[in-house]
Amino acid sequence: EVQLVESGGGLVKPGRSLRLSCTTSGFIFGDYAMNWFRQAPGKGLEWVGFIRTKPYAWTTEFAASVKGRFTISREDSKSIAYLQMNNLKTEDTAVYYCSRHDPKFREGFMDVWGQGTTVTISS
Amino acid sequence: DIQMTQSPSSLSASVGDRVTITCRASQDIRNDVEWFQQKPGKAPKRLIYEASSLQSGVPSRFSGSGSGTEFTLTISSLQPEDFATYYCLQYYTFPPITLGQGTRLEIK
Repeated sequence: EVQLVESGGGLVKPGRSLRLSCTTSGFIFGDYAMNWFRQAPGKGLEWVGFIRTKPYAWTTEFAASVKGRFTISREDSKSIAYLQMNNLKTEDTAVYYCSRHDPKFREGFMDVWGQGTTVTISS
Repeated sequence: DIQMTQSPSSLSASVGDRVTITCRASQDIRNDVEWFQQKPGKAPKRLIYEASSLQSGVPSRFSGSGSGTEFTLTISSLQPEDFATYYCLQYYTFPPITLGQGTRLEIK
């Protein structure tokens, strides 16, 4: 069974940093790009960024709202993706989800998501 | 960036009703659209990929159609477990990956 489990959320003061993890199982992690999305309280889903696979040099892309503050990395040997969030703002408060997408579009694009981890930014 | 305009933003319906949700793309995106269902406190669940392909395990009352700039998700006969929020997502051109604003489907 394919599983994605986020962890690392919590309550953090503005300006601080936090690292989220997305621990996966049940599939060949290295074959999939890994995404992060977020959902602010009462709002819709927002794409945050993703990291490509090894053939694409593990390059990353980010939404304008987080570019320069957030980074994404991955450890293919451990099947884990990370979201490093720096200089956090109150507007970063959200539930953060990881998901996978298939760069070869073998069965569509984004088929599995994790359950989410809650990040609260408050003084 | 490609914008996905989803309508309606909310919808009240009864069990057994037929419901249609629409997403319009700001440019031609072929059939590179997926539809997701999200229940409160839960992860999004993919229902439809490539605009009209039913995800394995999803009931056949869900269907998707469209290509180019207009896409629809139809639920042929609403069941109690279908009351949730629905999102479309485009992947024709990314980054950024863009989603519709969501449609909250409520019980009438």
